[in-house]
Amino acid sequence: EVQLVESGGGLVQPGGSLRLSCEVSGFTFRNYWMGWVRQAPGKGLEWVATIKYDGSGKYYVDSVEGRFTISRDNAKNSLYLQMNSLRGEDTAVYYCARGRSDFLRWDVFDFWGQGTMVTVSS
Amino acid sequence: EVVLTQSPGTLSLSPGERATLYCRASQTISSSYLGWYQQKPGQAPRLLIYRASNRAAGTPDRFSGSGSGTDFTLTISRLEAEDFAVYYCQQYGNSLSFGGGTKVGI
Repeated sequence: EVQLVESGGGLVQPGGSLRLSCEVSGFTFRNYWMGWVRQAPGKGLEWVATIKYDGSGKYYVDSVEGRFTISRDNAKNSLYLQMNSLRGEDTAVYYCARGRSDFLRWDVFDFWGQGTMVTVSS
Repeated sequence: EVVLTQSPGTLSLSPGERATLYCRASQTISSSYLGWYQQKPGQAPRLLIYRASNRAAGTPDRFSGSGSGTDFTLTISRLEAEDFAVYYCQQYGNSLSFGGGTKVGI
């Protein structure tokens, strides 16, 4: 059974940092592109970042470029999102998700975690 | 950036009725790289359709997708109680972006 479990969310002050983790199981993690998608309270979905299966390619939405860093550890079956210089508009549930195919950079996400809430507020 | 516009914003229907949801892109989506998701309150999105018309594993056949270019449609042939949810389209022909969602309610 494919499982993705996020952790690391919480309350942080504006300008602060937070590191999200996503531990996966049930599939060969090193073969798949992975991504983070967020959803602000009561709002729609927003793609945040995507990473290539070997970590050699990383892509970000403009609003987080230079502040967020996506990474992965294939030996630990884990995906990460380092978030720095956080702003109020970064408040959202953050989901990690798996790209459906193992060769497309841009793809739909076929498995999702349950999400972790990040609140940026003073 | 490809902007996706979903319509209507809300669809009020009853069980057994047909639902038609629309997703229009600001530019042509290459290779019909468009997907549809269902999201229920408090849950993660669930992939229903990829590449415009291909059902994901476990998607009931009452869900169908169609379209190409800039105009795409998700049809639910006969609504069941479990289908009342918010639906999002997502394009992946040029980076990634999501539509604003359509709420299907009673």
